[in-house]
Amino acid sequence: KNEVEQSPQNLTAQEGEFITINCSYSVGISALHWLQQHPGGGIVSLFMLSSGKKKHGRLIATINIQEKHSSLHITASHPRDSAVYICAVSSDYGGSQGNLIFGKGTKLSVKP
Amino acid sequence: NAGVTQTPKFQVLKTGQSMTLQCAQDMNHNSMYWYRQDPGMGLRLIYYSASEGTTDKGEVPNGYNVSRLNKREFSLRLESAAPSQTSVYFCASSEAGGGWSQPQHFGDGTRLSIL
Repeated sequence: KNEVEQSPQNLTAQEGEFITINCSYSVGISALHWLQQHPGGGIVSLFMLSSGKKKHGRLIATINIQEKHSSLHITASHPRDSAVYICAVSSDYGGSQGNLIFGKGTKLSVKP
Repeated sequence: NAGVTQTPKFQVLKTGQSMTLQCAQDMNHNSMYWYRQDPGMGLRLIYYSASEGTTDKGEVPNGYNVSRLNKREFSLRLESAAPSQTSVYFCASSEAGGGWSQPQHFGDGTRLSIL
């Protein structure tokens, strides 16, 4: 069983729709990261959070530590949001050098 | 501000050849990482360097070596390339202080094919 599970694997939406991508993890963590991988391959860090909620523009990330679950929401989606969204966790074992564990990603396609 | 720069962007090798992937960052970060990304799998850590002068193995280190040349540069070497090492390789960096809980900044990747 993967330690970081994302759902759905693929998502197609119409422009303007509200989008939710989910991430569940099974290990203790010190932080959870959401990353965006553009169609050209580059990877950008969107959020790092350890509790509560963070917002940046049309993107909102939430985390529930007790339930070991995080969601990434995109409001008023746009074709330029089409990308692979990756969830990763910083595990809290091994002292300060715990591994960063990645999910397999959710491929989002937003149609005009 | 260039961020994390990887070279080359593309490379084709024959089995048994050697090569070095270069990575440099200009953000004064202490921690640097090498990952590989394969279809249907998440990014996997090959090696990391928590600070200049130190390197440690990640999840999939076999067949690779690394050098933290200075604070800016972290190179990945394939001594004898194998087809199983065909992948996209990403270098990343982050600030110090428990590097795993800091945002990581990624390079654009190197697409490597081993024939």
